[in-house]
Amino acid sequence: QVQLQESGPGLVKPSETLSLTCTVSGGSISSYYWSWIRQPPGKGLEWIGYIYYSGSTNYNPSLKSRVTISVDTSKNQFSLKLSSVTAADTAVYYCARGHYDILTGGFGGFDYWGQGTLVTVSS
Amino acid sequence: EIVMTQSPATLSVSPGERATLSCRASQSVSSNLAWYQQKPGQAPRLLIYGASTRATGIPARFSGSGSGTEFTLTISSLQSEDFAVYYCQQYNNWPPWTFGQGTKLEIK
Repeated sequence: QVQLQESGPGLVKPSETLSLTCTVSGGSISSYYWSWIRQPPGKGLEWIGYIYYSGSTNYNPSLKSRVTISVDTSKNQFSLKLSSVTAADTAVYYCARGHYDILTGGFGGFDYWGQGTLVTVSS
Repeated sequence: EIVMTQSPATLSVSPGERATLSCRASQSVSSNLAWYQQKPGQAPRLLIYGASTRATGIPARFSGSGSGTEFTLTISSLQSEDFAVYYCQQYNNWPPWTFGQGTKLEIK
């Protein structure tokens, strides 16, 4: 059973960089798309970006200038860095795996999620 | 960016009854649509992808339909564990992949 676990500081100061890591267990990080998704308290879901195991990335244009996602296949981990954070970046951050749709040969939603980690931006 | 609009915001239904949730896209997303269920304090769970294919382990009472800009998630006979928030997500035009704002399904 694939499991994902986010880790990183729960409190980040304004203007600093938020850094989170997602550790994948029970399966290989290879051959899938891996995403970060966030959810401000009491609000909806926002996709931040993805990384393929090969290292190719794609980011939400609204965050692109501040986001970097990287992968370490040797550790079965991928990471998120979000720079110049403000209170608006306070959210539960989830890592998730892109489901491979056999019928289309492409993406089909997010089938495995981490439990989420709350990151608060405050001085 | 494609905007996903879900309706209603809150739906009150009695256990055992049918629930119908709607999701509309601001432009066609073909059948590239997923539905998720989220309970308080939990991560979302994938229910449906490809607009109508149930994900692994999802009960048959959950069904999805639609294509283009109009989509529906139907829960045929509500169980107590089905009361939650439901989100739709398009993955046809990206970046970015976008979610609807959610429909809260509550007990009547």
